[in-house]
Amino acid sequence: QKEVEQNSGPLSVPEGAIASLNCTYSDRGSQSFFWYRQYSGKSPELIMFIYSNGDKEDGRFTAQLNKASQYVSLLIRDSQPSDSATYLCAVSPRSNYQLIWGAGTKLIIKP
Amino acid sequence: GAVVSQHPSWVICKSGTSVKIECRSLDFQATTMFWYRQFPKQSLMLMATSNEGSKATYEQGVEKDKFLINHASLTLSTLTVTSAHPEDSSFYICSATQGLGYNEQFFGPGTRLTVL
Repeated sequence: QKEVEQNSGPLSVPEGAIASLNCTYSDRGSQSFFWYRQYSGKSPELIMFIYSNGDKEDGRFTAQLNKASQYVSLLIRDSQPSDSATYLCAVSPRSNYQLIWGAGTKLIIKP
Repeated sequence: GAVVSQHPSWVICKSGTSVKIECRSLDFQATTMFWYRQFPKQSLMLMATSNEGSKATYEQGVEKDKFLINHASLTLSTLTVTSAHPEDSSFYICSATQGLGYNEQFFGPGTRLTVL
C-alpha cells in the first residue's frame, strides 16, 4: 500500500515567521512530489513541485526533497495570514498519472 | 496557462434526479482527467480516472453505474450522478493532466452538490 503521511495539525505560526510543513512517503520509486494549497471550501491549487534531491525555491516557498529518507517538505518564509490553509502533499508513482495524496496539514498564521 | 473549468459551480436537486457536471481544460489538451469527492473536513477521495476515448477506471467502492463518466474529447469530461440521494451531497472536483513532464494535476474550481 503506497502511502503519504502528513501531520494533520493545526500548525500555528506567527505572522512573519517560517512555516515548515513535512511529508513522508512509502514508495521509494516515486518520481515527482507536489505541494497543493487548499482554502476552505475551494479546490486545491498547485504551489510547486520537485523531482530532484535538494531545494527548489519559488518566491517565499521552498520545497525540499530527500529521497534517501523519503521525505519532502515545504517552507514558507515571511508567513502571511493569507497563507492560512490546508497544505496537501502528493506523490507521483513511477507507473501512472495518479497522485497519491496525504491527508493535509492545516496551517494557521496568527497576526 | 493550465486552466480547468467546471460547471456548474453549485447545484441543488431533488432526490432521485440525475445531475451532470462538466470539466473542461481550457488551454491544454488533457490526456487524463480525474474526479474527486470531498466531504467536509475530510481529504480528497479519488473516484475515477478517465482517459479520452476509453472507459473510466473507478476506485474500489465507487459505483460505476451511479457515477457515469464520459471523456469524449481531450478537453471535456463529464460526471453524471444518477438517481442522486442526500448521501451523494458533497464537493466534486475534477483535475486534469497533460501527461507530459511530471504528472502535475490542475484542478477545476469544484461543484458543490446538495441533494434534498
